[in-house]
Amino acid sequence: DAKTTQPPSMDCAEGRAANLPCNHSTISGNEYVYWYRQIHSQGPQYIIHGLKNNETNEMASLIITEDRKSSTLILPHATLRDTAVYYCIGAGSGNTGKLIFGQGTTLQVKP
Amino acid sequence: EPEVTQTPSHQVTQMGQEVILRCVPISNHLYFYWYRQILGQKVEFLVSFYNNEISEKSEIFDDQFSVERPDGSNFTLKIRSTKLEDSAMYFCASNWAGTGNEKLFFGSGTQLSVL
Repeated sequence: DAKTTQPPSMDCAEGRAANLPCNHSTISGNEYVYWYRQIHSQGPQYIIHGLKNNETNEMASLIITEDRKSSTLILPHATLRDTAVYYCIGAGSGNTGKLIFGQGTTLQVKP
Repeated sequence: EPEVTQTPSHQVTQMGQEVILRCVPISNHLYFYWYRQILGQKVEFLVSFYNNEISEKSEIFDDQFSVERPDGSNFTLKIRSTKLEDSAMYFCASNWAGTGNEKLFFGSGTQLSVL
């Protein structure tokens, strides 16, 4: 699985967009970029994933660079409940649902 | 949205005792997983399970661990003789196809404390 690099922590003001970066320069062509988050030691929660194209759902947007070496997760209007550890994970080489979690980015949304 | 449920939410046991952690995956899912997270550390993959067989396991998943789907709804993780270092949050997860293009649904976890 691809190794990803994320900043250890970020702050964001409530109501503003939170932009979380991830570098995944070793990702292979058939690996998806996944984002999960973990709120206070609860089970990880799926946010979004993509392969090449940008993706958007009700939770977030995912912007993947054309060379696929990096991506940005965007929470358009962060709330206090978005305070969590956000994980960027490369997965999908072969038919497997196994995920390799890194340390993630701790996002603190402040009032 | 459907949920993966785990019981108990907290389990305290004495070192050397056997524990069974229980999970009810989402009903139409076919692939099942256990992960664990030691306090302050990363979430770690333990094992994946499909068609009543282990399909992949990590180095952590040694002979002390076993998994079973005893009926059509439950998925269990057994630790035969617990050690202090088994203290962790254990997460069950499931999905339908087990491929890379499919999200995992995680349960809320069982906090295991080995004394």
